[in-house]
Amino acid sequence: EGQLVESGGGLVQPGRSLRLSCEASGFTFDDYAMHWVRQAPGKGLEWVSGISWNSGKIDYADSVKGRFTISRDNAKNSLYLQMNSLKAEDTALYYCAKSRGLIAPGPFDYWGQGTLVSVSS
Amino acid sequence: EIVLTQSPATLSLSPGERATLSCRASQSVSNYLAWYQQKPGQAPRLLIYDASNRATGIPARFSGSGSGTDFTLSISSLEPEDFAFYYCQQRGTWPPTFGQGTRLEIK
Repeated sequence: EGQLVESGGGLVQPGRSLRLSCEASGFTFDDYAMHWVRQAPGKGLEWVSGISWNSGKIDYADSVKGRFTISRDNAKNSLYLQMNSLKAEDTALYYCAKSRGLIAPGPFDYWGQGTLVSVSS
Repeated sequence: EIVLTQSPATLSLSPGERATLSCRASQSVSNYLAWYQQKPGQAPRLLIYDASNRATGIPARFSGSGSGTDFTLSISSLEPEDFAFYYCQQRGTWPPTFGQGTRLEIK
């Protein structure tokens, strides 16, 4: 059974940066695309960014494009999200999610428990 | 981007009843539609993918149907543990998008 464990969340001031990590286990990490999905308090799910198995295809939601950078290290079974120029509206629980395929943005069959990012002065 | 509209926003039913949840896409997503269940304080769980395929370990009372722009998630006979939020998600066109969710509550 696959497992994803996120870390790196916390309270940060607007304009500052944060780096999220997601460590995977229980499946062949470099066989699948990986994604970040966030959920603002009391709200629905929002896809943030995704990266294909070999980092050849990367994409972002318009709301984070130019500020966030997704990356992966297949040797370490890890996914990352570098978040710069954070805004209050980035406050959310950030989930790491595994796609069922090499490239496709879903469906997401494994999810972590999330790491909370709070942006406030 | 493709907008997914879920209805109803809230569905109030009793255990043992049948639930029917709808997801409508603003343009065709072929059959690239998934359904997730989320309970308070938990991560989403994949129920259905590619419109009608049950994910591993999902009980047979959950079923999905539809193609193009109109999709349905059905739960044949509600169990107490089925009361939760349900989201649809499309991967037919970048960027992937989610519906706003349906809350299934106990009547």
